[in-house]
Amino acid sequence: AQSVTQLGSHVSVSEGALVLLRCNYSSSVPPYLFWYVQYPNQGLQLLLKYTSAATLVKGINGFEAEFKKSETSFHLTKPSAHMSDAAEYFCAVSGGYQKVTFGTGTKLQVIP
Amino acid sequence: DGGITQSPKYLFRKEGQNVTLSCEQNLNHDAMYWYRQDPGQGLRLIYYSQIVNDFQKGDIAEGYSVSREKKESFPLTVTSAQKNPTAFYLCASSTQGRVGTGELFFGEGSRLTVL
Repeated sequence: AQSVTQLGSHVSVSEGALVLLRCNYSSSVPPYLFWYVQYPNQGLQLLLKYTSAATLVKGINGFEAEFKKSETSFHLTKPSAHMSDAAEYFCAVSGGYQKVTFGTGTKLQVIP
Repeated sequence: DGGITQSPKYLFRKEGQNVTLSCEQNLNHDAMYWYRQDPGQGLRLIYYSQIVNDFQKGDIAEGYSVSREKKESFPLTVTSAQKNPTAFYLCASSTQGRVGTGELFFGEGSRLTVL
């Protein structure tokens, strides 16, 4: 069994401030972990993925995430928010042969 | 450009009607998926297919049907048996036949509204 919990359905940050979106997962096998971004009325786009290589994963648009096995977490961060980062972000987990399970999403608002 | 094309982008349906959503990919991907997205619920898997002429039910398959006659195409039919069909539907594909290990590539979605 696998599951994803995203803490906070809405997060607001000021432009230039740190972005931190939280994701905790549960998996009975070593997980594959993903962060996706969705802009309004569009599909999802992969930001980054963890596949058991380096625990700190760098993605597109300056985002990165750190895999912490002891905390079962995969939080997404960006040092400085930009207005174009306003979107909905989804964390997802998979155990290989298992289908991908998505979290409920976090909407990021960037305040000028 | 390679990608996934979903059509129509917006669709209105009367209660009791079946509708078919189109999904075409030119990425040469083996696996294709249909997800349903509702506000605050994330994405839920309806059906997926790893090879032509084979598909499996996902978590919420009731009231939906699919076919996979060609590698490039994976249409979804929303039948009248689906009790609450108003939603945003997303089609995706992946390079790897094993579900869950690879990056998912998404189309831009189809928004279905039942009047």
